[in-house]
Amino acid sequence: DIVMTQSPDSLAVSLGERATINCKSSQSVFYSSSNKNYLAWYQQKPGQPPKLLIYWASTRESGVPDRFSGSGSGTDFTLTISTLQAEDVAVYFCQQYYTPPWTFGQGTKVELK
Amino acid sequence: EVQLVESGGGLVQPGGSLRLSCAASGFTFSTYWMTWVRQAPGKGLEWVANIKQDGSDKYYVDSVKGRFTISKDNAKNSLFLQMDTLRAEDTAVYYCARKCYTNGCLDYWGQGTLVTVSS
Repeated sequence: DIVMTQSPDSLAVSLGERATINCKSSQSVFYSSSNKNYLAWYQQKPGQPPKLLIYWASTRESGVPDRFSGSGSGTDFTLTISTLQAEDVAVYFCQQYYTPPWTFGQGTKVELK
Repeated sequence: EVQLVESGGGLVQPGGSLRLSCAASGFTFSTYWMTWVRQAPGKGLEWVANIKQDGSDKYYVDSVKGRFTISKDNAKNSLFLQMDTLRAEDTAVYYCARKCYTNGCLDYWGQGTLVTVSS
């Protein structure tokens, strides 16, 4: 199974500042035939289901604010929130869909400083 | 508007069975892969099972193989998860989710139903 490891487990960021979350896969999730990275990012607020933010590692889902961006390739990926808003306080998960079983990172909790 | 509504969760004893349902609306259910994902209390997300549009292909995480069965009824726009021989470690909120049309992300999720396995 592909193991997804996120860092840090939590971070505190001031309003308007940048938040950066890392996700590392135990093997590459890049598919050369499609030239795509099979990775997604989700946001989960307390008491709510996860919400899709990013797929193909860097494609923003419709309706997601452009302060959210994804980058990286192969085994190392990053989710960046460029200017943190109060409503961005949540837990963020990465997920690989390169091969079953699809696996998620353990989550990164973003809080206000 | 896409909606996924789970039901069927509850308290069950170890070794018991439970059947979860997910009612889908707002999209052409028969054209999408569907997924169950679970989340133990205070923990992360675990993909449980996938089913192809017509039900012909199914995939499971190893920990539930032989105990859980995913199925779908396209005529009733419904997804199911039959859970047998339940264990304490199956305790979780179970989410029904729609797989993105062209890739493996999950673009719509239900609110979840809590399954508690305890004596």
